[in-house]
Amino acid sequence: AQTVTQSQPEMSVQEAETVTLSCTYDTSESDYYLFWYKQPPSRQMILVIRQEAYKQQNATENRFSVNFQKAAKSFSLKISDSQLGDAAMYFCAYRSGEDSSYKLIFGSGTRLLVRP
Amino acid sequence: DSGVTQTPKHLITATGQRVTLRCSPRSGDLSVYWYQQSLDQGLQFLIQYYNGEERAKGNILERFSAQQFPDLHSELNLSSLELGDSALYFCASSVHPGESYEQYFGPGTRLTVT
Repeated sequence: AQTVTQSQPEMSVQEAETVTLSCTYDTSESDYYLFWYKQPPSRQMILVIRQEAYKQQNATENRFSVNFQKAAKSFSLKISDSQLGDAAMYFCAYRSGEDSSYKLIFGSGTRLLVRP
Repeated sequence: DSGVTQTPKHLITATGQRVTLRCSPRSGDLSVYWYQQSLDQGLQFLIQYYNGEERAKGNILERFSAQQFPDLHSELNLSSLELGDSALYFCASSVHPGESYEQYFGPGTRLTVT
């Protein structure tokens, strides 16, 4: 079974600085997707970024980028120029490309605090 | 706003009771997923429907059941409620259950069992 591990329960960053959130996963599959979701205090789950396992290029979305290390099974999220609105829980998630349910498997989350 | 709606937003009920949570997917989405977010279990997949048919089951208790109706809205039924069922229940939808299709989450229903 696939697992997702986020080892940082909480991280703190100064506004305008850069922070990296860590995620590792375990799988024997070759076809899968990885995601980062943001959950602000409103509790809404918001997709931040996605990475296809077959793509070597790291995904980027404006101030958000990932460092995808397939061999190491690592998928970290870098947030540049941090803003107060980035404060939230961040969840790393795995989705199999071989399991027909395509369900998301989530890590335990990292709470990001942004200091003004 | 993801386009996925869930009602009610909050629900408070007593142990042993039965509740129904409702989800309306985004227009055009055929697949619905239910997830539970609790303090001790984290976010976990419960069940998935595609175009009215059950497609996959996760860690869903036998006391829980779901269905997807012809108009594609879905309901999650929770019965014989226990204190441990208190959680945030999310519905997500996608066009198809395929790997390239994103899942869009609703705002969730917060269930409190007292």
